[in-house]
Amino acid sequence: EAQVTQNPRYLITVTGKKLTVTCSQNMNHEYMSWYRQDPGLGLRQIYYSMNVEVTDKGDVPEGYKVSRKEKRNFPLILESPSPNQTSLYFCASSPRFGTSGRGYEQYFGPGTRLTVT
Amino acid sequence: GNSVTQMEGPVTLSEEAFLTINCTYTATGYPSLFWYVQYPGEGLQLLLKATKADDKGSNKGFEATYRKETTSFHLEKGSVQVSDSAVYFCALEIQGAQKLVFGQGTRLTINP
Repeated sequence: EAQVTQNPRYLITVTGKKLTVTCSQNMNHEYMSWYRQDPGLGLRQIYYSMNVEVTDKGDVPEGYKVSRKEKRNFPLILESPSPNQTSLYFCASSPRFGTSGRGYEQYFGPGTRLTVT
Repeated sequence: GNSVTQMEGPVTLSEEAFLTINCTYTATGYPSLFWYVQYPGEGLQLLLKATKADDKGSNKGFEATYRKETTSFHLEKGSVQVSDSAVYFCALEIQGAQKLVFGQGTRLTINP
């Protein structure tokens, strides 16, 4: 089954304790992205990756890191989480991106609800 | 800049009612437009899309037409069901950019 998986689905942690949220896709997609969803703000992009070893900042990258060592995996790392990073996080993948007018669908994972106290 | 504005929610309707969720956008160039739906406890999934002006996207009884002259992509359904209860997001893909820009989402509840 074609899918994007995220782990963990729920996480409660304390300020300053490093954590990693994993994301994996089995569709051989080139493009992957992380979003955070907050009430009244929709989804905002944190980081994205156009392909292996190619990553770049989105709209809200502060406090986050990513890596793309393999095509299927795109982990999100919070080196020193703070309460303002409490949110619902989504990983997404797409065959490619940036090709004008193609409108490729993005496939989303089920989400990770993170609480930082 | 590029942005999407959706109708404020929440929206509550009775089963079989007509649905419209308004979406307008601001963008440079010629973006592709999308509606994504998020069912309770799940990730987003594509509902429909349109990639050029006057295109109509449709799926599961939902429709939206890409109106360049009014910069709009309103979502409509003629007869909603309880199973349509979800959060709906309008989004645009910027030509040459590497992201989707989302509206704030509209929560829809359908009562039997």
